[in-house]
Amino acid sequence: ETGVTQTPRHLVMGMTNKKSLKCEQHLGHNAMYWYKQSAKKPLELMFVYNFKEQTENNSVPSRFSPECPNSSHLFLHLHTLQPEDSALYLCASSQGVAGNEQFFGPGTRLTVL
Amino acid sequence: AQSVTQLGSHVSVSEGALVLLRCNYSSSVPPYLFWYVQYPNQGLQLLLKYTSAATLVKGINGFEAEFKKSETSFHLTKPSAHMSDAAEYFCAVSDGNAGNMLTFGGGTRLMVKP
Repeated sequence: ETGVTQTPRHLVMGMTNKKSLKCEQHLGHNAMYWYKQSAKKPLELMFVYNFKEQTENNSVPSRFSPECPNSSHLFLHLHTLQPEDSALYLCASSQGVAGNEQFFGPGTRLTVL
Repeated sequence: AQSVTQLGSHVSVSEGALVLLRCNYSSSVPPYLFWYVQYPNQGLQLLLKYTSAATLVKGINGFEAEFKKSETSFHLTKPSAHMSDAAEYFCAVSDGNAGNMLTFGGGTRLMVKP
């Protein structure tokens, strides 16, 4: 595997379910990011991890819980979601140094019923 | 605080015509600027970036962008559109913050007519 991978690619869940999204980067980067992309809003940064430490939580509801066990893996744990949480969730990684681009995974398309 | 405005959420051009996608930014410090492209059901792919070297930046697939400080702009151009250029394009800015966070514009969907 190369680049940034995300699993699953598609997820349908009920409002009472608990599920997790997984992201893995094979680029040796030290920073990882979660974004939410919905039809009516610009890309929204959710969380930032730099050297496994969370450095940004952009006022995200507690029903989204991130986890970064090491610099290569990032999870987003989901519980009691709402239909308005349906969106494409994108993971990205970078060297965490100013001026470096972020590399994106293909995303997980989440539908909450 | 930094922000990005992309004028025109939808742009339509004919195949072979000039592509011009507009991006204006605000930043309190010299910015780093990026253009990304997103094809359907895919993540974002970097087209090009400006990091204070040459003001005219060349990217992949024949795209280029010019940084104009006086106009706070970083417009994306391509001389001749191809059908395969149909996608959504995002402009992003970073102010060199710790963690290298980006602020994205709302995106411009480019449609290419045969």
